[in-house]
Amino acid sequence: RKEVEQDPGPFNVPEGATVAFNCTYSNSASQSFFWYRQDCRKEPKLLMSVYSSGNEDGRFTAQLNRASQYISLLIRDSKLSDSATYLCVVNMNYGGSQGNLIFGKGTKLSVKP
Amino acid sequence: DGGITQSPKYLFRKEGQNVTLSCEQNLNHDAMYWYRQDPGQGLRLIYYSQIVNDFQKGDIAEGYSVSREKKESFPLTVTSAQKNPTAFYLCASSISGLAGGWTDTQYFGPGTRLTVL
Repeated sequence: RKEVEQDPGPFNVPEGATVAFNCTYSNSASQSFFWYRQDCRKEPKLLMSVYSSGNEDGRFTAQLNRASQYISLLIRDSKLSDSATYLCVVNMNYGGSQGNLIFGKGTKLSVKP
Repeated sequence: DGGITQSPKYLFRKEGQNVTLSCEQNLNHDAMYWYRQDPGQGLRLIYYSQIVNDFQKGDIAEGYSVSREKKESFPLTVTSAQKNPTAFYLCASSISGLAGGWTDTQYFGPGTRLTVL
């Protein structure tokens, strides 16, 4: 099983649509979870951290399901500017306090007028 | 402005040459990282450093070398031993590398695109 898996997409949606991305991770001891956004030929930028209780930032909602080892990102009322690749990122804690972030390959979103 | 800078933005290398990519941060972060991204692929960790004068190999360290003589700087050298160096190189930093808290959130520089001619 790959450490962090995402549906590569692309997801092609009209403006105003609601779109959801899922991500699964393999290490049950992982402690940190993030969604990053990467525009074409640019660096990844932090979109939001994902907390156990779930969290919301405007049109974006992230949820964590530890029992099933998956993370989700919901985007409501999609804008053209939301078009990008969304990276699921998980800290792989191998039993100590030290762990490195593992990046999924990303899910590409294209919002059309 | 606080942030991470990388230079150059584009770099062309002839086969057999070593090149050094610069990464500087003024965020006072302890941890710094180098990743490589190939088209359609995820980020792969090359090297990381949790503290000055210490660094560790990542998943694909062969053909690369780093140094961490200053907290602010973490240069990456791509040596002639790296067989397929053409890629997008990203440097990142975090407050610390300790798992389980917001201190391991990583922030990225704008990247360097390396092309071997």
